[in-house]
Amino acid sequence: AQSVTQLDSQVPVFEEAPVELRCNYSSSVSVYLFWYVQYPNQGLQLLLKYLSGSTLVKGINGFEAEFNKSQTSFHLRKPSVHISDTAEYFCAVSGSGGYQKVTFGTGTKLQVIP
Amino acid sequence: GAGVSQSPRYKVAKRGQDVALRCDPISGHVSLFWYQQALGQGPEFLTYFQNEAQLDKSGLPSDRFFAERPEGSVSTLKIQRTQQEDSAVYLCASQAGYNTEAFFGQGTRLTVV
Repeated sequence: AQSVTQLDSQVPVFEEAPVELRCNYSSSVSVYLFWYVQYPNQGLQLLLKYLSGSTLVKGINGFEAEFNKSQTSFHLRKPSVHISDTAEYFCAVSGSGGYQKVTFGTGTKLQVIP
Repeated sequence: GAGVSQSPRYKVAKRGQDVALRCDPISGHVSLFWYQQALGQGPEFLTYFQNEAQLDKSGLPSDRFFAERPEGSVSTLKIQRTQQEDSAVYLCASQAGYNTEAFFGQGTRLTVV
């Protein structure tokens, strides 16, 4: 079984400032890792995913994340945020290979302040 | 269709009423998932279909919850005798195959009063 911890429930940040949203996971098997974004009254949209290969993953909207196996982390970063980035961000994990259900964290609300 | 479509978008049910939530996945997608997202929480897995076969229903919270996908396309999540704790957003996602991106619908917000 896997689990995900997003310690920060809310992160306020000024526009054009950098941001890091933290995610730690636990698993006894190899994992796939994901970040999803959810805008108000919308479904989830995939920002980026790590399946294998390079530990630095680049996604949409200028976001990137780094898989750190030793620290069991997959933090999401953006060097300069925009008002439009205000949303809730979910980190998620699944076992690798074949069908594996996805386990989500509790989410981090990113509030970009003008 | 262009994406995963869920209906209705909003449903208000009186406690004890039965409800049915519909999911139209992306055409040709083999895998279909249902998730429950309570207020302020992340989505929690309910059940998984591969074509018409329900391969995992370990997340269904009680026997009041039932899901089907009889022809391997449209899926329905049914909740019998709804209770207040069933109030949540129910998300459907479809996936073309293993290790491919899962696409989510906008969800159905169920409020039980």
